[in-house]
Amino acid sequence: EAQVTQNPRYLITVTGKKLTVTCSQNMNHEYMSWYRQDPGLGLRQIYYSMNVEVTDKGDVPEGYKVSRKEKRNFPLILESPSPNQTSLYFCASSSYLAGGTDTQYFGPGTRLTVL
Amino acid sequence: GNSVTQMEGPVTLSEEAFLTINCTYTATGYPSLFWYVQYPGEGLQLLLKATKADDKGSNKGFEATYRKETTSFHLEKGSVQVSDSAVYFCALKITGKLIFGQGTTLQVKP
Repeated sequence: EAQVTQNPRYLITVTGKKLTVTCSQNMNHEYMSWYRQDPGLGLRQIYYSMNVEVTDKGDVPEGYKVSRKEKRNFPLILESPSPNQTSLYFCASSSYLAGGTDTQYFGPGTRLTVL
Repeated sequence: GNSVTQMEGPVTLSEEAFLTINCTYTATGYPSLFWYVQYPGEGLQLLLKATKADDKGSNKGFEATYRKETTSFHLEKGSVQVSDSAVYFCALKITGKLIFGQGTTLQVKP
């Protein structure tokens, strides 16, 4: 089954304690992306990756890191989480084509609470 | 800059009512337009899309037409069901980037 998986689904942590949210896709997609969803703000892009070893900042990258060492995995790293990073996080992937006709597939989401 | 504006929710309808969720966009260039749906506790799923002006996207009884002259992509359905209760996101994609509206919550009552 084609899917994007995220782990963990729920996480409660404390300020400053480093954490990683994993994302994996089994569709051989080139493009992967992280979003955060906050009430009234919709989804905002954090980072994206066009392919292995190619990453770039989205609209709200501050406080986050990513890496893309393998095509299927795109972990999101919070080196020193703060309460304003409490949010619902989604990973997505797609087959990148010039012209913008591709479809993004979303993971189930990770609800993060930073105390 | 590029942006998407959706009508504020929540929208509450009775079963079998007609649905319209308004979406307008601002974009430099020629974006593709999308509607995504998020059911409770789940990630977003693509509902429909249109890639050029006057295209109509449709799926599961939902429709939306890409109107370049009014920069709009309104979502419609003739007869909603309780199972359509969800959050609906309008989005545009340009230069490889997907930009979402703030989402509109739809609640359908029996």
